[in-house]
Amino acid sequence: EDQVTQSPEALRLQEGESSSLNCSYTVSGLRGLFWYRQDPGKGPEFLFTLYSAGEEKEKERLKATLTKKESFLHITAPKPEDSATYLCAVAGTASKLTFGTGTRLQVTL
Amino acid sequence: EAQVTQNPRYLITVTGKKLTVTCSQNMNHEYMSWYRQDPGLGLRQIYYSMNVEVTDKGDVPEGYKVSRKEKRNFPLILESPSPNQTSLYFCASSLRTGGNNEQFFGPGTRLTVL
Repeated sequence: EDQVTQSPEALRLQEGESSSLNCSYTVSGLRGLFWYRQDPGKGPEFLFTLYSAGEEKEKERLKATLTKKESFLHITAPKPEDSATYLCAVAGTASKLTFGTGTRLQVTL
Repeated sequence: EAQVTQNPRYLITVTGKKLTVTCSQNMNHEYMSWYRQDPGLGLRQIYYSMNVEVTDKGDVPEGYKVSRKEKRNFPLILESPSPNQTSLYFCASSLRTGGNNEQFFGPGTRLTVL
């Protein structure tokens, strides 16, 4: 059974204070690892897909990396508008996504 | 605008009263899926569909039904809702079958069963 564990559950940063979110996973035949952003009361919004160990993708202040066991979402010099819950999900050989419970990020001035 | 729409957005009902939550996408996506999101449990898949007339159970299918008669629509049916189905529901779609395509999510339906 595919499993995803995200840490920490919650993270509070000051504006400009860089940090990383962790996503540990076990999956049979990784077909993709996904990062989503979710704002309160809204549907998840797609950020990145990573397919193989060593792959990296960047978007503005966010950078996602992937190893064989985990993925990191690095947030560089965050701003208050980066406050959200960040979800990690994996797709294995079955036609479905397995999600972690997310990291709730709060960025303060 | 490419999007996934859900209706209603909010629903309060009583135990046993049948209800349907509609989901529609305008992106000609093959794959559609329903999730429920509960505090501490994350997003869990209820049912998915790889194409018209093809549906399959996800992780938590009990108490739910789905149908896929048209490519764009994927309604979620609760024949006899119970309080433990109170949750936030999301519909999602992706271009192709298989997990290696990003899923686009609808805005969510908050359901309360009294």
